[in-house]
Amino acid sequence: DVKVTQSSRYLVKRTGEKVFLECVQDMDHENMFWYRQDPGLGLRLIYFSYDVKMKEKGDIPEGYSVSREKKERFSLILESASTNQTSMYLCASSPSSAAGELFFGEGSRLTVL
Amino acid sequence: AQSVTQPDIHITVSEGASLELRCNYSYGATPYLFWYVQSPGQGLQLLLKYFSGDTLVQGIKGFEAEFKRSQSSFNLRKPSVHWSDAAEYFCAVGDNFNKFYFGSGTKLNVKP
Repeated sequence: DVKVTQSSRYLVKRTGEKVFLECVQDMDHENMFWYRQDPGLGLRLIYFSYDVKMKEKGDIPEGYSVSREKKERFSLILESASTNQTSMYLCASSPSSAAGELFFGEGSRLTVL
Repeated sequence: AQSVTQPDIHITVSEGASLELRCNYSYGATPYLFWYVQSPGQGLQLLLKYFSGDTLVQGIKGFEAEFKRSQSSFNLRKPSVHWSDAAEYFCAVGDNFNKFYFGSGTKLNVKP
């Protein structure tokens, strides 16, 4: 069974802390994505990656960075967490074929106090 | 710019009744269209997808969707809703560059 695993389901951090959200996929997919989900706003793309060490900004990259050192792993980094980054974060992967579907992890709910 | 609109934020239907969730998109070329479902506290699961060909597509859990190019719509339907269908549903458009654009979602409540 295909799987996207997000290391932390729930996190509570303090303002100014550095936060790492880890995502691993076992499907050998080229593409990986980080989305943020907020009520009434749907899913908004933060960053995505088409290949190892490659990254591109999505629609809301401010305050975030990413790392993709290995094909299966895509990390989202909040350099200095702020309260407005309290949200649900969803990782997804897809194959490189045109519009291959997205496979999602279960999400990481981050609360910044 | 690409966009997806789901005009209904909340919908309540009785168990056994039919369901239609609306989705309109804006995209310059032939779109790749998806419907995803999210149960509380979970990630998103693909219900169905349209790439080309027959405009009526069948998905899992008894769902279907119809692509209407003239109306830029991709509405999701189910003839008889079950209590377990209560969830949030997202419509999405994919482009040729593997980017996906999501609607804001429709929350479905099912009355016993």
